[in-house]
Amino acid sequence: SQTIHQWPATLVQPVGSPLSLECTVEGTSNPNLYWYRQAAGRGLQLLFYSVGIGQISSEVPQNLSASRPQDRQFILSSKKLLLSDSGFYLCAWSVTGAIDTQYFGPGTRLTVL
Amino acid sequence: EDQVTQSPEALRLQEGESSSLNCSYTVSGLRGLFWYRQDPGKGPEFLFTLYSAGEEKEKERLKATLTKKESFLHITAPKPEDSATYLCAVKTGANNLFFGTGTRLTVIP
Repeated sequence: SQTIHQWPATLVQPVGSPLSLECTVEGTSNPNLYWYRQAAGRGLQLLFYSVGIGQISSEVPQNLSASRPQDRQFILSSKKLLLSDSGFYLCAWSVTGAIDTQYFGPGTRLTVL
Repeated sequence: EDQVTQSPEALRLQEGESSSLNCSYTVSGLRGLFWYRQDPGKGPEFLFTLYSAGEEKEKERLKATLTKKESFLHITAPKPEDSATYLCAVKTGANNLFFGTGTRLTVIP
């Protein structure tokens, strides 16, 4: 069966510090991978998605970037965090197909102080 | 502009008191409607996918239905463990799920 991991689970970082969040998927090959952010009182917002190694699409302009160095690894990064980057970050995966259900990881709670 | 609205924002039910959650949508070219359950501090858990108007799916005490403008998540005889936030999402483009803000359900013993 497929499993998705995210770490760290929680993170507290000062403004201006760098960020690296990692997501890995087990039990499937060539998944589509996604990064979402969930802010209080707002729906999940898609940040990035990837259909393959090195292929990244950004949905919204922002202070963050994503990379996919391996088939089942997806990384969310920032060079300098802003207060507005605080939130709950979720990684998801899906199988390539016409209607592909997305399955979410446990999330990372990021607080920028 | 694509829009997904969930109502009510919050719902409190007595154990055993059946009710429905609503997800209304305005999108161009619906390719699927998804329901998820989210517990506090955790990632959303997939429940159902509905593809076309008239479709229904059931899982334990939950039943999801879809019309051309909205979806309902019916909860029959809920138990305290059904307490969670229920999220609705629609798929329009190739890769984007557009989420509503959710309904926070509390079931009181």
